[in-house]
Formats: sequence, structure tokens, C-alpha cells
Amino acid sequence: DTAVSQTPKYLVTQMGNDKSIKCEQNLGHDTMYWYKQDSKKFLKIMFSYNNKELIINETVPNRFSPKSPDKAHLNLHINSLELGDSAVYFCASSQDRGAMAEAFFGQGTRLTVV
Amino acid sequence: QKEVEQDPGPLSVPEGAIVSLNCTYSNSAFQYFMWYRQYSRKGPELLMYTYSSGNKEDGRFTAQVDKSSKYISLFIRDSQPSDSATYLCAMFKAAGNKLTFGGGTRVLVKP
Repeated sequence: DTAVSQTPKYLVTQMGNDKSIKCEQNLGHDTMYWYKQDSKKFLKIMFSYNNKELIINETVPNRFSPKSPDKAHLNLHINSLELGDSAVYFCASSQDRGAMAEAFFGQGTRLTVV
Repeated sequence: QKEVEQDPGPLSVPEGAIVSLNCTYSNSAFQYFMWYRQYSRKGPELLMYTYSSGNKEDGRFTAQVDKSSKYISLFIRDSQPSDSATYLCAMFKAAGNKLTFGGGTRVLVKP
């Protein structure tokens, strides 16, 4: 039974398009995250929500907009996609905001912008 | 200079050997030190989590933290082909709720 699931797993799209990635966790966790992993494997936090409230908003272009309809879901919408947005995007969740280091990660969404 | 430095590898070892991984960091405010394992096309999973300087052991895995040198290590004893993965170190400071990852070291254990 998947703990943190993301859809889609792969996404290939053209520059300028708008796309969304969905994430759901069934662990009953309060806090969810979006991370970006670039081609050199560096994993960087983008956003974090705690019980539907935005608590971390790193320096990310405002073309990226997270939305948390409830504490089990955190979606990421990206407008006007650029080549540099190509990366693997990971959703994660943790018991609470203090347990960030013990987060469970999803399988990732591999985004390729052409 | 990045806050956390990690040699990308790849590190290739024969089965049964000890794998030795390390990271250095520059920010003395980091309080918690973690190692994650990431298999190809999968998300990272937490392996070890330490708070202070010293050693922590869990099965075949030993994590070491030397805060005075700003240096952390992970040792894998009796390595298996199933240990082949990328290992990411990460550091956390409660102030600012910030988790910073290294770039990962790719490990290949050959049968």
C-alpha cells in the first residue's frame, strides 16, 4: 500500500505549457513537501505545507504554485514551463513540521521540458 | 562553496568490502545529520539519523559525526549488490526548519 504517491511518474511537455503534478499521502501526516532534484542529484526543498498552511516557500520562480486542498494532498502547478524546469520532483510527508528529516518520499515525477 | 559537499563517485567496491562515504559541511548551526539511500528511479529513504558527535550503529551501517571537523561518515560493512544506490547525506537545523542535502555518492557493489 503506497505511502506517498505522485502522478504522473513521467511528464514530457513543450516549453510554455502549464502542467500539474499531484501528490497524496495515506500516512496521516500533517506536513507535506515538494523537492526538486536536478541532474546532479542535488535535492532542494521548494515548498512545505503543514495542515494546509504554507510554512516553507524557498526562492522559487512564482511560475510554481503549490496547492493543498487538505492535509493528505499537495499538488504542484507549473506555468509557462522552461527548459530549466526539467528535473525530478519529489513529494514527501512527515509526521509534523519538526520531523522533516524523517520524511517519507514519493517515487518522483520526472519532468522533461522540450 | 556549497554548504554540504559530497564526492559524487561512482564508488565501486567488490561484494563483502566496507563502503566508506563522507560529507563535509560549512555551517556549524547544523544540529542533525542524516544519511539517505536512493535507488535508481526511486525517492530517497532515511537510513541513519544522528544528533551529536560520535558513532551510531544499525546493523551493517555505522554513522559517524565529527562536529569539530564538520565531517560526517557512513560505513557499510559486508556490502551486498543490493547496497548499490546513491547515498545522500543531509543536515538539519531547527532554526529556519532547514534541511540541506549533499549531491549524493553513487555506490556500486560488484558481485
